[in-house]
Amino acid sequence: DTGVSQDPRHKITKRGQNVTFRCDPISEHNRLYWYRQTLGQGPEFLTYFQNEAQLEKSRLLSDRFSAERPKGSFSTLEIQRTEQGDSAMYLCASSLVLGNTEAFFGQGTRLTVV
Amino acid sequence: GDSVTQMEGPVTLSEEAFLTINCTYTATGYPSLFWYVQYPGEGLQLLLKATKADDKGSNKGFEATYRKETTSFHLEKGSVQVSDSAVYFCALNPPRGAGSYQLTFGKGTKLSVIP
Repeated sequence: DTGVSQDPRHKITKRGQNVTFRCDPISEHNRLYWYRQTLGQGPEFLTYFQNEAQLEKSRLLSDRFSAERPKGSFSTLEIQRTEQGDSAMYLCASSLVLGNTEAFFGQGTRLTVV
Repeated sequence: GDSVTQMEGPVTLSEEAFLTINCTYTATGYPSLFWYVQYPGEGLQLLLKATKADDKGSNKGFEATYRKETTSFHLEKGSVQVSDSAVYFCALNPPRGAGSYQLTFGKGTKLSVIP
């Protein structure tokens, strides 16, 4: 399968713990995006990378959130000192810069903070 | 800022019924418009798109026309099937040159089709 892959699919953590999610985009895609989706809502943009550069960040991305894409391939999203309000589905997507710029989404990581 | 409003669900239809899911948007310039679909247990998939006014996107029997005058992008299908049961999201992308590539989504409309 050459689609966008996210790991883990589910994560349960205690409030105050740190968590890290991984996204592997489609191999030739330069752009990588992170979104968050809560129950009954559409996905909300968090941040995006073009290659290894983080070019845009939403105001939703508080200081406790950090994302990296060190070699322009896979990306990680870390949440420090998790809060119950962080419980959501975290979606990753990737796209090309030129040509067909459709964003392809992974299946997401569901985070539950207890 | 940009926003997308789509009709609230859930929507329940009988097989072969006509489907309309309304979507309107607020944005500057000429954004690109999309419909994404999320089948149970799966990720978001692009269903169709339109990049300029009066364009019609179509796929799998679904259609939507980009109406600049009414800032709308309503999704339609003439005859729904049980396999169309899913959550549908309307979304927009700022125009090229705006310097932003984020998608802005509506809240989603859950469609259930019964035999």
